[in-house]
Amino acid sequence: AQKITQTQPGMFVQEKEAVTLDCTYDTSDPSYGLFWYKQPSSGEMIFLIYQGSYDQQNATEGRYSLNFQKARKSANLVISASQLGDSAMYFCAMTFVSGGSYIPTFGRGTSLIVHP
Amino acid sequence: SQTIHQWPATLVQPVGSPLSLECTVEGTSNPNLYWYRQAAGRGLQLLFYSVGIGQISSEVPQNLSASRPQDRQFILSSKKLLLSDSGFYLCAWSFTGTGPTEQYFGPGTRLTVT
Repeated sequence: AQKITQTQPGMFVQEKEAVTLDCTYDTSDPSYGLFWYKQPSSGEMIFLIYQGSYDQQNATEGRYSLNFQKARKSANLVISASQLGDSAMYFCAMTFVSGGSYIPTFGRGTSLIVHP
Repeated sequence: SQTIHQWPATLVQPVGSPLSLECTVEGTSNPNLYWYRQAAGRGLQLLFYSVGIGQISSEVPQNLSASRPQDRQFILSSKKLLLSDSGFYLCAWSFTGTGPTEQYFGPGTRLTVT
């Protein structure tokens, strides 16, 4: 069965420093997608970054990068130069194929607090 | 550009009452549509997804149901709410295609069953 694990319930970081949020996954499918989403206190989920299972290079989007280690089945999110507005819940997600459709499954999330 | 609307934003309903949450997407055709529930401090639980009009797949058996009467409209319903139905309900859409794609979420509905 497909599974996403986020082992850090909460993380703290100083403003302008980098932070890594951990995510490991478990699947036997060769084709899957890995995603990170941000959920501010308002509740809306915001897509941050995507990594495909066949992608050779780590994905980057501005201050976000995804450290993809396929053999270890990990897909950690790195946020560089943290800002106060980065304080939020962060969810790792994976999509896998089921019945011809890509089905998403989410981790339990990590709460990030950025200190000034 | 695409936008997703979800209403109502908050809802307080007594146990045993019916429920109807609506979600609509603008600016795209034939999207995949999803309903999630998020309990307090927890991750997202996929409830239903749809790849086309009238095509609904249920991930978790419960007293909720979903319908897709139009291409860009997705409705979550219940005939009789339970206390355990309380939570934050999120609708999402994604492009259809041959590979995994990101999802775009609505603002959510906070449901409290009393």
